[in-house]
Amino acid sequence: DQQVKQNSPSLSVQEGRISILNCDYTNSMFDYFLWYKKYPAEGPTFLISISSIKDKNEDGRFTVFLNKSAKHLSLHIVPSQPGDSAVYFCAASAFVGSGGSNYKLTFGKGTLLTVNP
Amino acid sequence: DTGVSQDPRHKITKRGQNVTFRCDPISEHNRLYWYRQTLGQGPEFLTYFQNEAQLEKSRLLSDRFSAERPKGSFSTLEIQRTEQGDSAMYLCASSPPPGGVTDTQYFGPGTRLTVL
Repeated sequence: DQQVKQNSPSLSVQEGRISILNCDYTNSMFDYFLWYKKYPAEGPTFLISISSIKDKNEDGRFTVFLNKSAKHLSLHIVPSQPGDSAVYFCAASAFVGSGGSNYKLTFGKGTLLTVNP
Repeated sequence: DTGVSQDPRHKITKRGQNVTFRCDPISEHNRLYWYRQTLGQGPEFLTYFQNEAQLEKSRLLSDRFSAERPKGSFSTLEIQRTEQGDSAMYLCASSPPPGGVTDTQYFGPGTRLTVL
């Protein structure tokens, strides 16, 4: 049972245009969401995050939107650049466990973004 | 560079052998996580440490897997009697105190394990 779903395995856009990557989740206990970018043979690199008390967070070319009622978030990249070509993972966390604060991440399967020059 | 480091980056072993991986978190981070990623999947949580205490283990972590963080700094992940199904990228991440749902996990480059 996948709690975080990225239904588009791949996305191709032209340089300079907007890239929109989508993510849906099913667990209503999730209250913190993150996007990671991953190049082959490297670990995921943190991009941007959003808390469930917000509906938008912006950092330079990257904006994340959260729609809690729809359990949906999206990552917008404007303008897209060839260096943005990578796999993008959506991740979510909720408080779990006891004995202290611990927040394991649940990831989607990723979306391969290709930005064409 | 003061990011999360992992060693080795690649490991090829024969089925039945034991392997050990090391993770050095960002120095001021007291929380450390291990994840496993297989082809076409996102990373899956394996285990979590706060300082030296192992606070949670996934059911994915069978009895052949053991993780330690003896002094609350670096961590090791050992797999005994490796199986071909253990072939994956093993990722380590760390996050800082004081805790709270808004803490971000920062990942290392991973260790690619191939079991022949």
